[in-house]
Parts: sequence; C-alpha cells; structure tokens
Amino acid sequence: DVKVTQSSRYLVKRTGEKVFLECVQDMDHENMFWYRQDPGLGLRLIYFSYDVKMKEKGDIPEGYSVSREKKERFSLILESASTNQTSMYLCASSLVRSEQYFGPGTRLTVT
Amino acid sequence: RKEVEQDPGPFNVPEGATVAFNCTYSNSASQSFFWYRQDCRKEPKLLMSVYSSGNEDGRFTAQLNRASQYISLLIRDSKLSDSATYLCAVNPEGDMRFGAGTRLTVKP
Repeated sequence: DVKVTQSSRYLVKRTGEKVFLECVQDMDHENMFWYRQDPGLGLRLIYFSYDVKMKEKGDIPEGYSVSREKKERFSLILESASTNQTSMYLCASSLVRSEQYFGPGTRLTVT
Repeated sequence: RKEVEQDPGPFNVPEGATVAFNCTYSNSASQSFFWYRQDCRKEPKLLMSVYSSGNEDGRFTAQLNRASQYISLLIRDSKLSDSATYLCAVNPEGDMRFGAGTRLTVKP
C-alpha cells in the first residue's frame, strides 16, 4: 500500500511565525503535491514537484515556498504565517499522470 | 468557467437507492479521470479510475463521455457507509484538477 505521511495532524501557530509542513512518501513516486482545502473552495494546488530539486507553482503559491531535496520528501514552508492561511493542508504523491495518494492532512490554525 | 465542475449537492437518499453524480471538465486534452471519496475531516481516498470503456467495482460504476466532456459515478443499493463527499479528478497535463465535491448522505 502507498503510504504518505505528514509531520503533524494539528498545528497552532502565531501570526508571523515561519511554519514547516513535511510530507514523506514511501512509494518512489516522482510527483508530489501540496494542496489546501477550505470549505466551499475544494482542493487548491499550492505547489507541485516532478523531481528532486524541481518545483512548479500551482494556483495559489503566494505566501508559500517548497523544498524537495530528496525524492521521498516534500516540504511546504509558510514564510510568515497569516490568519488567512488557517486551513487543512494536504500532501499527495503520484506516478506520472496517475492517481494521487494523499496524506492524512495537517489542520493548521494561525492565531 | 472552472476546469472541473460538480453539483455540490447535498444529495440525501434513502438506503437502497441508486444515485448518480456527474462531473464536467473543460480541457478536452484530459487523459486520466478518477473518482475519490472523502469522509468528514479526512483525506480524499481513491475510489476508482475511470476508463474510456467504463468500469464497474461492485455497486459502483464509472463512465466517461469524451464527446460531452463529463464523467459520471453511479452508486447502486446505497449503504449508510456510502455517506461522504465524492470528488472527481481530471489529469489534463500532469497536475490533477479536482472538483469541489458532491456531498452524499444516505439515510436509514
């Protein structure tokens, strides 16, 4: 079974803090993705990566950055957390043009 | 126009009913299609892929209509445990595009 893990299930941070969300997959997938999910807005793509050290902006990259130093690990960084970044963050991985497998999500609250 | 659109519902159906969801997509170059199920406060989980010829998995049937650019999901003999949000996903050029989901509640 594909396993995608995320570093935290719940996280509470203060405005202005730098926040790191980590994602690890164990299936040697090339592609990794970061989404946020908000009620009524569905899944919105923040960043994705097709290979190590490679990244592409998704639909809402502002205020975020990513890092992929190893194939199995994809990190999302909130440079200076703001209250409008309170959300559920979901990481996913996939083979090329294949179904995505999601991690359990991190529910981030910024106060 | 959104790339992938779904009726948000909610669909409230009795146990044993048959229910169908549609999902339309705008990019005619899309090659891969999927249905996901998401339970409340959980991650989406792959329900089934959608093939050109259609496919069936137990009580679930998925169809693709390329001419009209939509995919469908049919659930027969609904169970209480089918209550969830169903997301369609379309893969036009490498990254996946998800619909916002259709909420289904199956009632006793």
